[in-house]
Amino acid sequence: QVQLVQSGGEAKKPGASVKVSCKASGYRFTSYGISWVRQAPGQGLEWMGWISAYNGHTNYALRLQGRVIMTRDTSTTTAYMELTRLRSDDTAVYYCSRERGGFGDGLDVWGQGTTVTVSS
Amino acid sequence: QSALTQPASVSGSPGQSITISCTGTSSDVGGYNYVSWYQQHPGKAPKLMIYDVSNRPSGVSNRFSGSKSGNTASLTISGLQAEDEADYYCSSYGNNNTLLYVFGTGTKVTVL
Repeated sequence: QVQLVQSGGEAKKPGASVKVSCKASGYRFTSYGISWVRQAPGQGLEWMGWISAYNGHTNYALRLQGRVIMTRDTSTTTAYMELTRLRSDDTAVYYCSRERGGFGDGLDVWGQGTTVTVSS
Repeated sequence: QSALTQPASVSGSPGQSITISCTGTSSDVGGYNYVSWYQQHPGKAPKLMIYDVSNRPSGVSNRFSGSKSGNTASLTISGLQAEDEADYYCSSYGNNNTLLYVFGTGTKVTVL
Protein backbone atom coordinates (compact mmCIF):
# COMPACT_ATOMS: atom_id res chain seq x y z
CA GLN A 1 0.00 0.00 0.00
CA VAL A 2 1.00 3.63 -0.41
CA GLN A 3 2.85 4.79 2.66
CA LEU A 4 5.43 7.18 4.03
CA VAL A 5 7.52 5.95 6.96
CA GLN A 6 9.55 8.49 8.92
CA SER A 7 12.61 8.14 11.09
CA GLY A 8 12.44 8.07 14.85
CA GLY A 9 12.26 10.88 17.38
CA GLU A 10 15.22 13.12 18.06
CA ALA A 11 16.44 15.15 21.03
CA LYS A 12 18.75 18.04 20.15
CA LYS A 13 20.41 20.98 21.84
CA PRO A 14 19.91 24.56 20.68
CA GLY A 15 22.19 25.42 17.79
CA ALA A 16 22.42 21.85 16.54
CA SER A 17 20.92 20.39 13.34
CA VAL A 18 18.43 17.59 12.80
CA LYS A 19 17.78 15.50 9.68
CA VAL A 20 14.50 13.61 9.34
CA SER A 21 13.96 10.94 6.69
CA CYS A 22 10.76 9.89 4.94
CA LYS A 23 10.77 6.54 3.10
CA ALA A 24 8.13 6.24 0.38
CA SER A 25 6.69 2.98 -0.89
CA GLY A 26 3.75 1.69 -2.90
CA TYR A 27 3.85 4.32 -5.66
CA ARG A 28 6.15 5.85 -8.28
CA PHE A 29 8.26 8.12 -6.10
CA THR A 30 9.32 10.56 -8.82
CA SER A 31 5.73 11.27 -9.90
CA TYR A 32 4.78 13.17 -6.74
CA GLY A 33 6.17 16.03 -4.70
CA ILE A 34 6.73 15.89 -0.95
CA SER A 35 5.78 18.64 1.47
CA TRP A 36 6.99 18.90 5.06
CA VAL A 37 4.62 20.17 7.74
CA ARG A 38 5.29 20.66 11.44
CA GLN A 39 3.10 21.03 14.50
CA ALA A 40 4.34 22.51 17.76
CA PRO A 41 2.80 21.13 20.96
CA GLY A 42 -0.84 22.22 21.20
CA GLN A 43 -0.53 24.34 18.07
CA GLY A 44 -1.71 24.23 14.46
CA LEU A 45 -0.09 23.00 11.30
CA GLU A 46 2.76 24.92 9.69
CA TRP A 47 3.91 24.29 6.13
CA MET A 48 7.71 24.18 5.93
CA GLY A 49 8.39 23.58 2.26
CA TRP A 50 8.14 21.28 -0.72
CA ILE A 51 10.47 19.26 -2.87
CA SER A 52 9.86 17.79 -6.28
CA ALA A 53 10.83 14.12 -6.15
CA TYR A 54 11.28 14.29 -9.92
CA ASN A 55 13.99 16.96 -10.19
CA GLY A 56 14.75 18.04 -6.63
CA HIS A 57 13.35 21.57 -7.09
CA THR A 58 12.39 23.14 -3.77
CA ASN A 59 10.10 25.84 -2.35
CA TYR A 60 10.66 26.84 1.27
CA ALA A 61 8.48 28.81 3.65
CA LEU A 62 9.90 32.32 3.91
CA ARG A 63 10.37 32.19 7.68
CA LEU A 64 12.52 29.05 7.41
CA GLN A 65 14.61 30.00 4.39
CA GLY A 66 18.28 29.78 5.25
CA ARG A 67 17.71 27.13 7.95
CA VAL A 68 15.86 24.34 6.13
CA ILE A 69 17.24 22.03 3.46
CA MET A 70 15.10 19.46 1.66
CA THR A 71 16.62 16.73 -0.46
CA ARG A 72 15.63 13.42 -1.93
CA ASP A 73 17.33 10.19 -3.02
CA THR A 74 15.47 8.54 -5.90
CA SER A 75 17.50 5.32 -5.59
CA THR A 76 16.09 4.70 -2.12
CA THR A 77 12.77 6.59 -2.62
CA THR A 78 13.54 8.66 0.47
CA ALA A 79 13.02 12.35 1.15
CA TYR A 80 14.95 14.25 3.78
CA MET A 81 14.37 17.43 5.74
CA GLU A 82 17.29 19.03 7.58
CA LEU A 83 16.74 21.94 9.95
CA THR A 84 19.80 23.83 11.16
CA ARG A 85 20.54 26.24 14.01
CA LEU A 86 17.78 24.71 16.09
CA ARG A 87 15.90 26.81 18.65
CA SER A 88 13.56 25.76 21.43
CA ASP A 89 10.54 26.85 19.35
CA ASP A 90 11.49 24.27 16.72
CA THR A 91 10.23 21.62 19.14
CA ALA A 92 7.42 19.98 17.19
CA VAL A 93 6.13 16.91 15.43
CA TYR A 94 7.43 16.93 11.87
CA TYR A 95 5.39 15.28 9.10
CA CYS A 96 6.23 14.47 5.50
CA SER A 97 3.29 14.29 3.11
CA ARG A 98 2.68 13.51 -0.54
CA GLU A 99 1.24 16.03 -2.98
CA ARG A 100 -1.93 14.54 -4.47
CA GLY A 101 -1.29 16.13 -7.86
CA GLY A 102 0.65 19.26 -8.67
CA PHE A 103 1.89 21.69 -6.03
CA GLY A 104 -1.00 23.01 -3.98
CA ASP A 105 -3.37 20.21 -4.92
CA GLY A 106 -3.74 18.66 -1.46
CA LEU A 107 -1.63 16.34 0.68
CA ASP A 108 -3.14 12.87 0.43
CA VAL A 109 -0.63 10.61 2.19
CA TRP A 110 1.11 11.45 5.46
CA GLY A 111 3.94 9.94 7.42
CA GLN A 112 3.43 8.98 11.04
CA GLY A 113 5.31 12.03 12.30
CA THR A 114 8.71 12.50 13.94
CA THR A 115 8.99 14.26 17.28
CA VAL A 116 11.92 16.65 17.52
CA THR A 117 12.65 18.09 20.95
CA VAL A 118 15.07 21.00 21.29
CA SER A 119 16.24 21.64 24.83
CA SER A 120 19.44 22.50 26.63
CA GLN B 1 2.12 35.00 4.93
CA SER B 2 -0.51 34.98 7.69
CA ALA B 3 -2.48 31.90 8.63
CA LEU B 4 -6.00 31.55 7.28
CA THR B 5 -8.67 32.42 9.85
CA GLN B 6 -10.94 29.70 11.23
CA PRO B 7 -13.27 29.70 14.24
CA ALA B 8 -11.58 28.16 17.27
CA SER B 9 -14.46 25.80 17.95
CA VAL B 10 -17.73 24.57 16.48
CA SER B 11 -20.13 22.13 18.09
CA GLY B 12 -23.26 20.24 17.15
CA SER B 13 -25.48 17.35 18.18
CA PRO B 14 -25.43 13.99 16.44
CA GLY B 15 -27.29 14.15 13.15
CA GLN B 16 -26.99 17.91 12.83
CA SER B 17 -25.00 19.81 10.20
CA ILE B 18 -22.17 22.19 10.99
CA THR B 19 -20.09 24.52 8.83
CA ILE B 20 -16.52 25.65 9.39
CA SER B 21 -15.33 28.82 7.66
CA CYS B 22 -11.83 29.59 6.44
CA THR B 23 -11.01 33.18 5.50
CA GLY B 24 -7.96 34.23 3.56
CA THR B 25 -7.06 36.83 0.97
CA SER B 26 -7.02 37.27 -2.79
CA SER B 27 -3.42 35.95 -2.74
CA ASP B 28 -4.52 32.55 -1.50
CA VAL B 29 -8.12 31.35 -0.96
CA GLY B 30 -9.69 33.96 -3.23
CA GLY B 31 -7.16 33.65 -6.02
CA TYR B 32 -7.05 29.90 -6.62
CA ASN B 33 -9.28 26.85 -6.47
CA TYR B 34 -6.70 24.98 -4.42
CA VAL B 35 -8.33 24.82 -1.00
CA SER B 36 -7.97 21.61 0.99
CA TRP B 37 -9.41 20.46 4.31
CA TYR B 38 -7.79 18.08 6.81
CA GLN B 39 -9.15 16.17 9.80
CA GLN B 40 -6.81 15.43 12.68
CA HIS B 41 -7.61 13.24 15.66
CA PRO B 42 -5.46 13.62 18.80
CA GLY B 43 -2.00 12.12 18.39
CA LYS B 44 -2.62 11.23 14.74
CA ALA B 45 -1.44 12.57 11.41
CA PRO B 46 -3.82 14.80 9.45
CA LYS B 47 -6.14 13.18 6.89
CA LEU B 48 -7.15 14.82 3.62
CA MET B 49 -10.94 15.28 3.51
CA ILE B 50 -11.46 17.77 0.66
CA TYR B 51 -9.18 18.98 -2.14
CA ASP B 52 -9.59 21.57 -4.88
CA VAL B 53 -12.33 23.33 -2.87
CA SER B 54 -15.02 20.67 -3.19
CA ASN B 55 -13.60 17.29 -4.23
CA ARG B 56 -13.54 14.28 -1.90
CA PRO B 57 -10.72 11.71 -2.05
CA SER B 58 -11.78 8.10 -2.45
CA GLY B 59 -12.98 6.68 0.85
CA VAL B 60 -14.08 9.97 2.44
CA SER B 61 -17.74 10.06 3.44
CA ASN B 62 -20.10 12.15 1.32
CA ARG B 63 -21.22 13.77 4.57
CA PHE B 64 -18.23 16.07 4.07
CA SER B 65 -18.55 18.82 1.47
CA GLY B 66 -16.61 21.94 0.59
CA SER B 67 -17.34 25.25 -1.10
CA LYS B 68 -15.86 28.69 -1.63
CA SER B 69 -17.10 32.24 -2.07
CA GLY B 70 -14.64 35.04 -2.60
CA ASN B 71 -11.88 34.86 0.01
CA THR B 72 -13.77 32.43 2.27
CA ALA B 73 -13.93 28.66 1.96
CA SER B 74 -16.25 26.43 3.97
CA LEU B 75 -16.41 22.82 5.10
CA THR B 76 -19.81 21.38 5.92
CA ILE B 77 -20.28 18.17 7.87
CA SER B 78 -23.80 16.81 7.62
CA GLY B 79 -25.32 14.06 9.76
CA LEU B 80 -22.74 14.73 12.47
CA GLN B 81 -21.35 11.57 14.10
CA ALA B 82 -19.29 10.96 17.22
CA GLU B 83 -16.22 10.02 15.16
CA ASP B 84 -16.28 13.45 13.49
CA GLU B 85 -15.05 15.00 16.73
CA ALA B 86 -11.56 16.20 15.81
CA ASP B 87 -9.54 19.23 14.77
CA TYR B 88 -10.06 20.50 11.24
CA TYR B 89 -7.63 22.60 9.24
CA CYS B 90 -8.09 24.34 5.92
CA SER B 91 -5.18 24.97 3.60
CA SER B 92 -4.69 26.96 0.44
CA TYR B 93 -2.15 27.33 -2.29
CA GLY B 94 -0.85 30.86 -2.33
CA ASN B 95 1.47 33.06 -4.31
CA ASN B 96 3.10 35.97 -2.56
CA ASN B 97 6.05 36.32 -4.94
CA THR B 98 6.83 32.75 -3.95
CA LEU B 99 4.74 29.61 -4.18
CA LEU B 100 3.52 28.41 -0.82
CA TYR B 101 0.94 26.59 1.21
CA VAL B 102 -0.83 28.36 4.06
CA PHE B 103 -2.81 26.53 6.72
CA GLY B 104 -5.75 27.74 8.73
CA THR B 105 -5.66 28.32 12.48
CA GLY B 106 -7.66 25.15 13.10
CA THR B 107 -11.16 24.41 14.42
CA LYS B 108 -12.04 22.00 17.20
CA VAL B 109 -15.28 20.21 16.37
CA THR B 110 -17.19 18.87 19.38
CA VAL B 111 -20.08 16.45 19.07
CA LEU B 112 -22.41 17.16 21.98
